[in-house]
Amino acid sequence: DAKTTQPNSMESNEEEPVHLPCNHSTISGTDYIHWYRQLPSQGPEYVIHGLTSNVNNRMASLAIAEDRKSSTLILHRATLRDAAVYYCILRDVIEDMRFGAGTRLTVKP
Amino acid sequence: DSGVTQTPKHLITATGQRVTLRCSPRSGDLSVYWYQQSLDQGLQFLIQYYNGEERAKGNILERFSAQQFPDLHSELNLSSLELGDSALYFCASSVASSGDQETQYFGPGTRLLVL
Repeated sequence: DAKTTQPNSMESNEEEPVHLPCNHSTISGTDYIHWYRQLPSQGPEYVIHGLTSNVNNRMASLAIAEDRKSSTLILHRATLRDAAVYYCILRDVIEDMRFGAGTRLTVKP
Repeated sequence: DSGVTQTPKHLITATGQRVTLRCSPRSGDLSVYWYQQSLDQGLQFLIQYYNGEERAKGNILERFSAQQFPDLHSELNLSSLELGDSALYFCASSVASSGDQETQYFGPGTRLLVL
């Protein structure tokens, strides 16, 4: 299984951008990069996913390195509600989702 | 609100007992996934059903079983419960059986406490 490495925790100030890194040096050509987050006392929720090109949606942006060995989830203006554990997951057609430990994001007012 | 519902929200039981957790997927979703989240193990994939059939198995114990019914709701049965089974149990659903772009929608979870 292709694995991901994320920092255990990060801090951000409210209304500032946040860049959450993920390393996946053993990624295969068919692996999509997915990000989910888990708010306190809730189930995980989908954030964004991509394959090679950078992606934007209403929640976040995903920047994927040219060699695809790393990616960065970007929250453009962090709010207190963005405090959560963020999971970076690699998926191919067959493999089910395997969650790692994720990055715990703290947002300070 | 993801559209996935789980009942009960909380469950307290004793060791050796059996419990059933219930999940209703989003309307139109054919796949149901079960996950266990404990403090020391993180979020662990247990099992997946697609349109009534078992599709994939993860770290599910033999004491645990699941099924998906014709109306697509799913039940996770946990038997001979041990203290270590205390955890949050999440159900998720998705439209298809698998896919590198498939999004899973998670329910609010059932918190199980085994005393």
